Amino acid sequence: AQSVTQLDSQVPVFEEAPVELRCNYSSSVSVYLFWYVQYPNQGLQLLLKYLSGSTLVKGINGFEAEFNKSQTSFHLRKPSVHISDTAEYFCAVSAPYNQGGKLIFGQGTELSVKP
Amino acid sequence: DTAVSQTPKYLVTQMGNDKSIKCEQNLGHDTMYWYKQDSKKFLKIMFSYNNKELIINETVPNRFSPKSPDKAHLNLHINSLELGDSAVYFCASSQDRSNTEAFFGQGTRLTVV
Repeated sequence: AQSVTQLDSQVPVFEEAPVELRCNYSSSVSVYLFWYVQYPNQGLQLLLKYLSGSTLVKGINGFEAEFNKSQTSFHLRKPSVHISDTAEYFCAVSAPYNQGGKLIFGQGTELSVKP
Repeated sequence: DTAVSQTPKYLVTQMGNDKSIKCEQNLGHDTMYWYKQDSKKFLKIMFSYNNKELIINETVPNRFSPKSPDKAHLNLHINSLELGDSAVYFCASSQDRSNTEAFFGQGTRLTVV
């Protein structure tokens, strides 16, 4: 079975500061890894994904994440945040094909960017 | 064009009622999902269909019954609504069961009073 742990439930940060949102996963098989963002009262939008290949993945809105297999981590980073980045961020893994490819989500991290 | 659309966006209803949420995707995907987001924002899979065939049923009460009339539509019918059913329900789709990328609808906020 797969599981995802987001280590911080809330991350307050000042505008233009760097931020890292931490994600660890557990799986006995290879998985795909994702970060989604949810703005208030909206659906989930894909920020970036790791399927294979380069372990540094770049996504939308200046975000990037690094897949670390040995540490089973997939931390999300942005060098300089904006007020508009305030949202809930979810790390997820996808179950294997024979388990229907469902997404298993972490508990979410609320990023709050202050002026 | 909205890739994954759900209706209604908001649904307020009394305990004991029966209600349905509809979902449509225009991406040509084979696989569709229903997820539930609780009051703590935790997201959990409920059902998944692949080409109209049920492939995931995550120990959801029998009061919840998904129906897929074709691979572009996945509806969720809920009987005898309970207070605990209050949540945001998200529909999603992916190209296939490999799920290299899932696209989500805007969600349906269900409030049972």
